[in-house]
Amino acid sequence: LAKTTQPISMDSYEGQEVNITCSHNNIATNDYITWYQQFPSQGPRFIIQGYKTKVTNEVASLFIPADRKSSTLSLPRVSLSDTAVYYCLVGPNNNDMRFGAGTRLTVKP
Amino acid sequence: NAGVTQTPKFQVLKTGQSMTLQCAQDMNHNSMYWYRQDPGMGLRLIYYSASEGTTDKGEVPNGYNVSRLNKREFSLRLESAAPSQTSVYFCASTNLRAGETYEQYFGPGTRLTVT
Repeated sequence: LAKTTQPISMDSYEGQEVNITCSHNNIATNDYITWYQQFPSQGPRFIIQGYKTKVTNEVASLFIPADRKSSTLSLPRVSLSDTAVYYCLVGPNNNDMRFGAGTRLTVKP
Repeated sequence: NAGVTQTPKFQVLKTGQSMTLQCAQDMNHNSMYWYRQDPGMGLRLIYYSASEGTTDKGEVPNGYNVSRLNKREFSLRLESAAPSQTSVYFCASTNLRAGETYEQYFGPGTRLTVT
């Protein structure tokens, strides 16, 4: 399983764009990169998944460079409600995907 | 469509007691999972079930047993609870299909305290 490294915490202000980077140097050819969001006292919620280049949905964008050894989750114009823990998962989309410690994002007014 | 439901929401046990955490999903998903989350930590996979009738160990299976009762339900049993099992337990489900996005749907969690 690919090991992931994320910042423990980040601070931002309302209206700013937030970029959270995940390092995964030993990513395998058949691994995907998936991001989840978790609010306090709730289960995680899927945000986005990608394999290479750029993926965008209504919530976020995911940028993956050609070597795939890292990825960046981009949240445009964050609000207070985006305060949460964000998890980067790397794996072959099987039943044994592992969550790391995540990045605690705090959005300030 | 309730999604993934878990019972109970809260539970306090004494060391050595047993209990079963229940999970059900109404999305016709094949795969179901049990995770635990300790304070300030990420989720760790306890067991998973790829389909009805099959179960497999995850990262931290010791002290737990599971049953995939049918396609909808996946229970987690603690036979003899220990304080180290104090945690929040999350159940999740998904359909794994080649070429499709792998998205797990999580329940609201069960907060378990073992004294």
